[in-house]
Amino acid sequence: GQSLEQPSEVTAVEGAIVQINCTYQTSGFYGLSWYQQHDGGAPTFLSYNALDGLEETGRFSSFLSRSDSYGYLLLQELQMKDSASYFCAVRDSQAGTALIFGKGTTLSVSS
Amino acid sequence: DSGVTQTPKHLITATGQRVTLRCSPRSGDLSVYWYQQSLDQGLQFLIQYYNGEERAKGNILERFSAQQFPDLHSELNLSSLELGDSALYFCASSVKGNDPTEAFFGQGTRLTVV
Repeated sequence: GQSLEQPSEVTAVEGAIVQINCTYQTSGFYGLSWYQQHDGGAPTFLSYNALDGLEETGRFSSFLSRSDSYGYLLLQELQMKDSASYFCAVRDSQAGTALIFGKGTTLSVSS
Repeated sequence: DSGVTQTPKHLITATGQRVTLRCSPRSGDLSVYWYQQSLDQGLQFLIQYYNGEERAKGNILERFSAQQFPDLHSELNLSSLELGDSALYFCASSVKGNDPTEAFFGQGTRLTVV
């Protein structure tokens, strides 16, 4: 089986930095992905980590530690438009190639 | 625009009825995944098809079924609908069928059962 744990809510102000953590448990690990979803919209891909370390894409970075079954998404220079839900996801070998998602973290950015 | 097309965007139907949701994957993508997202819930994996064949099943109810056609579009059939089936249903397709690092989601079908 698989499980992913992430905080349900995070709040921050514009310009700040926020970190969303994700711990996972899965049979067969094939990398950790992060997706963003604005209210009722389609989830969109943000980043993917297959190996330990930090991946940087603009204002967003993602980190993975396979030995700790842990990763995080780091959002810098927060903007109001970053208010959304953020999901971590893993591929579980028992689910074919499907991504299994955490319950999501709702980020609220205020001015 | 992800390139994944889902129809219809909205659907309102009564309990006990049957509906069909349609998904056209990105051109060239062989894998189609269906997800259900209920209010304040995460994305629950339902089922995956790869090149016309069922590849994996998640938390899909027996009242639900799916298929993928030769042109790679997929349909999700929901029958004997209950109020609790009201949700957003997403379809996604992946670039590589066997090792997706990125899945592309459609805009979803919002199903309301009354």
